[in-house]
Amino acid sequence: DTGVSQNPRHKITKRGQNVTFRCDPISEHNRLYWYRQTLGQGPEFLTYFQNEAQLEKSRLLSDRFSAERPKGSFSTLEIQRTEQGDSAMYLCASSLVGLTEAFFGQGTRLTVV
Amino acid sequence: AQTVTQSQPEMSVQEAETVTLSCTYDTSESDYYLFWYKQPPSRQMILVIRQEAYKQQNATENRFSVNFQKAAKSFSLKISDSQLGDAAMYFCADLKSGTYKYIFGTGTRLKVLA
Repeated sequence: DTGVSQNPRHKITKRGQNVTFRCDPISEHNRLYWYRQTLGQGPEFLTYFQNEAQLEKSRLLSDRFSAERPKGSFSTLEIQRTEQGDSAMYLCASSLVGLTEAFFGQGTRLTVV
Repeated sequence: AQTVTQSQPEMSVQEAETVTLSCTYDTSESDYYLFWYKQPPSRQMILVIRQEAYKQQNATENRFSVNFQKAAKSFSLKISDSQLGDAAMYFCADLKSGTYKYIFGTGTRLKVLA
């Protein structure tokens, strides 16, 4: 197992376009998280899945954002009608229920021009 | 609301010397965990060290140790014998027991000087 994998690593898009990111967690990890990290800030929680169920969404996740985790495996994060303020690093992490350590991917850096 | 504060945006240390990174947190919970994560440039964040709040003994992992002051809500990271590979952003985080939402500080960029 090579850890949490995120694709793409970088994405440049024009304002108003839709983008989708993918996260492949460590196999058998039933918890999956999405965080957003802007320059000079620490990661901020966006949403959380336990298996395929999305159990919490931050108020940072506007209705332009949607996340899915079909079959409790990989997850996708879609941003519709992107805005310049969406430019950030989007981090995915996974962990096992009952354990506290979260394993992070390298992130997807989104630039909206 | 839980908050984590890292008051040092940037720190420098000479190779082989010791450096301490500061972190304070604000939680009303009695059972929680504290973490230091390291984020090297263009690489994923990895766990450096973890402390359970119910343990009085400070956690240690090789050259990394913490000074956990529960009453003061302080959780500093000491890196001994600093190496060039220690250069990274370091994030302090807390996690309420039984939950899944990590709260991160703003990070401290550590530079290691040869």
